[in-house]
Amino acid sequence: DAGVTQSPTHLIKTRGQQVTLRCSPKSGHDTVSWYQQALGQGPQFIFQYYEEEERQRGNFPDRFSGHQFPNYSSELNVNALLLGDSALYLCASSLPWSEGEQYFGPGTRLTVT
Amino acid sequence: RKEVEQDPGPFNVPEGATVAFNCTYSNSASQSFFWYRQDCRKEPKLLMSVYSSGNEDGRFTAQLNRASQYISLLIRDSKLSDSATYLCVVNTGRRALTFGSGTRLQVQP
Repeated sequence: DAGVTQSPTHLIKTRGQQVTLRCSPKSGHDTVSWYQQALGQGPQFIFQYYEEEERQRGNFPDRFSGHQFPNYSSELNVNALLLGDSALYLCASSLPWSEGEQYFGPGTRLTVT
Repeated sequence: RKEVEQDPGPFNVPEGATVAFNCTYSNSASQSFFWYRQDCRKEPKLLMSVYSSGNEDGRFTAQLNRASQYISLLIRDSKLSDSATYLCVVNTGRRALTFGSGTRLQVQP
């Protein structure tokens, strides 16, 4: 049973650039959430996708956008990168009625220089 | 004030010890509660849900006090493999999980 997969594992970008991160959910899951985890902090919710629509958004600027495809995989896009965007980006998948059981991928570590 | 607050630790305990972590949350409308575990440089994984009646899973016991907006996790007979960061997590019913910053546990031989 394939778990949540994310790509790439690591990424280095320059301030002002744009980045796209990818996620494939656990088999059987159709809901994908994205989180940002800064060093020494807990994950912060960015947004959640279900049925190809953003159905919940956290306190992140519009520079953060996403997409979900018909096969439930998802992308996170960040435009105009800032140094403060350096973090571990985690994707989590779940069933739509699940209240708290989310399965996380290994994350993409983004460094902005 | 953070929505979910935890003591960052680290808690350094010997093998076999009992250790307890606490967590407070600010939103009284919070509906469900969880403990996640995160090993160093790994993804978070669900450890257990937390219910008002209290629940136990082997050496782990979780408790919720809604009146005080307080959640606890007790680990008995600590093992070296319990060394990790324990994240207190709250769901306010808006489908997003709100994580605390985590409490680091180091179990020593």
